Amino acid sequence: QVQLQESGPGLVKPSGTLSLTCAVSGGSISSDTYWNWVRQPPGKGLEWIGEIYHSGSTNYKSSLESRVTISVDKSKNQFSLKLSSVTAADTAVYYCAGNSGWYTDYWGQGTLVTVSS
Amino acid sequence: QSALTQPASVSGSPGQSITISCTGTSSDIGAYNYVSWYQQHPGKAPKLMIYEVTNRPSGVSNRFSGSKSGNTASLTISGLQAEDEADYYCNSYTISRSWVFGGGTKLTVL
Repeated sequence: QVQLQESGPGLVKPSGTLSLTCAVSGGSISSDTYWNWVRQPPGKGLEWIGEIYHSGSTNYKSSLESRVTISVDKSKNQFSLKLSSVTAADTAVYYCAGNSGWYTDYWGQGTLVTVSS
Repeated sequence: QSALTQPASVSGSPGQSITISCTGTSSDIGAYNYVSWYQQHPGKAPKLMIYEVTNRPSGVSNRFSGSKSGNTASLTISGLQAEDEADYYCNSYTISRSWVFGGGTKLTVL
């Protein structure tokens, strides 16, 4: 069974860059799966950020595209999220997730990232 | 991409049935049969309940069912149980090669 685990700083300063990594275990990052990032501001709904395939092909939410980079590291079986120029509005629980089909069937436990000085 | 529209809350008594609607556009729900539904309990990660409009993953109760008509998808839960109390989110693929979630619906079991 594929398991995902997010890691990274829980506190980022305004205007800084949020960086998170998702370690994939129980399966290969090179499998036929799209690897996603989803976030959820406190008390609010889910927001899709973007996805990557092991080939490096990416798709991003249009309103975030100018600030988001998702990358994959096959040697470490992990993928990463970078979100630049963050503000308080980027404070959220960030989930890494996997789509083995046209749906999300793998989810990490989520990690809270707070943007504050 | 605007969020799909869901009712903020629904409620029902144990044993009853409820339906949660999810309205999109011809660019998302209306364009593909790639609608999924997720259940989220407080402090937990979402869980896949329905995929590709009507399909249930292994292990999900057959009390959960999905449907779609035009630009609106629906999730029906029959025989409500206390454990069904949670937030529910719909999700759809879009013509922009992106995904969009609904705003979420809080289900209360009375």
